[in-house]
Amino acid sequence: EAGVAQSPRYKIIEKRQSVAFWCNPISGHATLYWYQQILGQGPKLLIQFQNNGVVDDSQLPKDRFSAERLKGVDSTLKIQPAKLEDSAVYLCASSLDLSDSYGYTFGSGTRLTVV
Amino acid sequence: GEDVEQSLFLSVREGDSSVINCTYTDSSSTYLYWYKQEPGAGLQLLTYIFSNMDMKQDQRLTVLLNKKDKHLSLRIADTQTGDSAIYFCAGPLTGKLIFGQGTTLQVKP
Repeated sequence: EAGVAQSPRYKIIEKRQSVAFWCNPISGHATLYWYQQILGQGPKLLIQFQNNGVVDDSQLPKDRFSAERLKGVDSTLKIQPAKLEDSAVYLCASSLDLSDSYGYTFGSGTRLTVV
Repeated sequence: GEDVEQSLFLSVREGDSSVINCTYTDSSSTYLYWYKQEPGAGLQLLTYIFSNMDMKQDQRLTVLLNKKDKHLSLRIADTQTGDSAIYFCAGPLTGKLIFGQGTTLQVKP
């Protein structure tokens, strides 16, 4: 089966600019996650969707970050305006549903550099 | 403190066994996971263990779970240079996976 697809792979922007990342989960996976991984740290959950509804966005900096999953399939994560500390790898993951015990499948990530 | 903690670095020689350790705080975790991350790549699920198990073996990988001490370990037998990567343990906390900070495994030829 095809894995989790993410684009772009790399993005360099200046601070205060905006940027968007795209994720296409595994077909049939109802639950989608966006994680932020800062260099040298473990991934931190930003937002979790079940179909097209938000389950948990408690760690999402809502003043600058937004995410949507309009049709319950693809998702976009946007940052506007970006700050230097947003430099990180943004990982998308999906699972069959909230109670999936087989772990999440991750995409390769988008590496964002804010200069 | 962190919900999931790991030591940061481990160096072994090729052919030796590697043991990567992890401690967690959420005693209600039903499954615990080990992920591997190679440079520039996403996270790859290596193995998982259900909380009612003490041990799980999968080829060169052995997972040990000590529920009393909330301690999880991953043993890699006959470690190869291709095993060099960052290893993350993860456990569900209120329905979402929480990751440790990762252990960098360096395998010397």
